[in-house]
Amino acid sequence: KQEVTQIPAALSVPEGENLVLNCSFTDSAIYNLQWFRQDPGKGLTSLLLIQSSQREQTSGRLNASLDKSSGRSTLYIAASQPGDSATYLCAAILTGGGNKLTFGTGTQLKVEL
Amino acid sequence: ETGVTQTPRHLVMGMTNKKSLKCEQHLGHNAMYWYKQSAKKPLELMFVYSLEERVENNSVPSRFSPECPNSSHLFLHLHTLQPEDSALYLCASSQDLGQGVDIQYFGAGTRLSVL
Repeated sequence: KQEVTQIPAALSVPEGENLVLNCSFTDSAIYNLQWFRQDPGKGLTSLLLIQSSQREQTSGRLNASLDKSSGRSTLYIAASQPGDSATYLCAAILTGGGNKLTFGTGTQLKVEL
Repeated sequence: ETGVTQTPRHLVMGMTNKKSLKCEQHLGHNAMYWYKQSAKKPLELMFVYSLEERVENNSVPSRFSPECPNSSHLFLHLHTLQPEDSALYLCASSQDLGQGVDIQYFGAGTRLSVL
C-alpha cells in the first residue's frame, strides 16, 4: 500500500527566504506526483504535476522535483511571501491506479513579515 | 473559484439526524469524487463516479450514501453518523478518469461536526 509522508508538518520562515518542502513515498511505481495548496477553509488548488518520466516542473517561483528511485519529491519555493502561507499537500498516483490520488498529511507553511 | 461548488459550507448535526451534502461542478467534467479530510490525517478517497456510475467505493461505512443523478451533481447522504465522522468533506471533479492525466479540481469543502 502506497504511503506518502511529508516533513516537516509545520514550518515558519521569514519573508524572502527560499525554502524546500519534502514529500516521500513508499511505492516507486508512481505514474505522477502532484503538489497542491490548501488555504484555511478552502479546497485544494493544483500547483504542479510531475509525470514519472520527468525530473522537475516549474511554475513561477515554484519548482517541484521528482526522484522515483529514492521515493522523494521536493517543492522549492523561492523568495517566499506572506501570501504563500498555506498547507501544501503532495499526492501520488500509482501506475495502474486509475486517477486515484494518495495524499500526504501536508506541511503547514507560515511566511512571516 | 475552481468551478466546483459545495453546499453547505458548514454543517452541525446530531447522531440521529439525516442530512445531505451537495456538490455541483460547472466544468463539463465526467468524473466526480468525494474525499474525507480529518485532522492530522491524509485526505481519504471515499467514492468515485464516472458518467454517473459509481466506480469506486473505498470501504466506506453504509451510513454514507452517495448519489450522482447527473454528471454535474454529486450528493453525499448522511444518516446515523458518529462523532468520529466529523471532518472536512471535499468534492472534486476531473474531465475523465484517464490515469494521472486528468487533474482533479476541488471544491471548498463542507465542514461537518457530529454532536
